[in-house]
Amino acid sequence: ILNVEQSPQSLHVQEGDSTNFTCSFPSSNFYALHWYRWETAKSPEALFVMTLNGDEKKKGRISATLNTKEGYSYLYIKGSQPEDSATYLCASVYGGATNKLIFGTGTLLAVQP
Amino acid sequence: DVKVTQSSRYLVKRTGEKVFLECVQDMDHENMFWYRQDPGLGLRLIYFSYDVKMKEKGDIPEGYSVSREKKERFSLILESASTNQTSMYLCASSSGTSGYTFGSGTRLTVV
Repeated sequence: ILNVEQSPQSLHVQEGDSTNFTCSFPSSNFYALHWYRWETAKSPEALFVMTLNGDEKKKGRISATLNTKEGYSYLYIKGSQPEDSATYLCASVYGGATNKLIFGTGTLLAVQP
Repeated sequence: DVKVTQSSRYLVKRTGEKVFLECVQDMDHENMFWYRQDPGLGLRLIYFSYDVKMKEKGDIPEGYSVSREKKERFSLILESASTNQTSMYLCASSSGTSGYTFGSGTRLTVV
């Protein structure tokens, strides 16, 4: 079973702080990397799908980068707000013919007002 | 608004019961997936399907089976529920290499 790892497991920040967390994945046979935000009592929501080494995607105050050669992706949140509190999941896809995601265990972000 | 709908939000079943978890999507997606989520373990793939009547085992299929008789519906079956199957179950669908659309989850408690 391929292993996707996320760190830290949890993070507590103050409103207005910028923060980032890491997703590590095996770089061999890599196809794509997904980021999801999962708020309590809601469905996980897709944030980004990234495929190319050096990719950088942005959605409002949230951005992500991808390094496929060394097998990591960073998610950044600028000026955290309480509504950013959620679990952030990354997932990796291996093999071009499939769309089967291997998920990390997530980073739980809590933003204190 | 596109949707993946799971039939129950909360479910309590007795040990040994046969349990059906239903998932319906209205996006004409060919791929459908069942995951369970447990604290500290992340989302683990139970079964998935790329087409009608087609199914493949994920990483933890033991104790489960699935059915996909129609494109829009993917059912997860617990043949004889056990307490270690108490978990949050998430259904998802996708098309090609798109991101997943998830249902809102079913929290199953087996007593």
